[in-house]
Amino acid sequence: DGGITQSPKYLFRKEGQNVTLSCEQNLNHDAMYWYRQDPGQGLRLIYYSQIVNDFQKGDIAEGYSVSREKKESFPLTVTSAQKNPTAFYLCASGGLADGGTGELFFGEGSRLTVL
Amino acid sequence: GESVGLHLPTLSVQEGDNSIINCAYSNSASDYFIWYKQESGKGPQFIIDIRSNMDKRQGQRVTVLLNKTVKHLSLQIAATQPGDSAVYFCAEKDVNQGNLIFGKGTKLSVKP
Repeated sequence: DGGITQSPKYLFRKEGQNVTLSCEQNLNHDAMYWYRQDPGQGLRLIYYSQIVNDFQKGDIAEGYSVSREKKESFPLTVTSAQKNPTAFYLCASGGLADGGTGELFFGEGSRLTVL
Repeated sequence: GESVGLHLPTLSVQEGDNSIINCAYSNSASDYFIWYKQESGKGPQFIIDIRSNMDKRQGQRVTVLLNKTVKHLSLQIAATQPGDSAVYFCAEKDVNQGNLIFGKGTKLSVKP
């Protein structure tokens, strides 16, 4: 089935460790996005990529890094520089880069907890 | 800065009643709006969208109304069911960046 797959669904990390969250899509979308969601809050944009080998910082990029080596994949690394990394992370694809309507398709999310 | 927000953070309705979830936006140049539904622990799911050249759009049990004069967006859910319990987000298209800007969400609770 077509869609977006995020892994792992749950992840625990010790302070000072980097972790990488995976996001894969088979929807042939050019654009991919990473959002962070804190309890009771909306979605805040971390990074986005409108085309392979290119990505842009969102509103809260500090302490995060991404790569876009393949169209299907947009992994997010939460580095030790991120001071408050415990959150629910959502990956999405779609967007206006496809010439579409702007609708985003979301994965099921990855919940990161720092111990 | 420009933002999308909601009038009410929580809404409780009786099963079978109609629900109305509101959203205010500040960017008068936004031309595309979406409503998403997010169930607990899951990613948001698309419900319905509307372009700024329309005032109303209907889907299955859902209707989105757009009032550009007062920059207001609403989602109406007919005959609300327990499965409709979720957080609902509105989002607008950022015409400068091309990215969606999300509101903080309204939590809808359906009482049996």
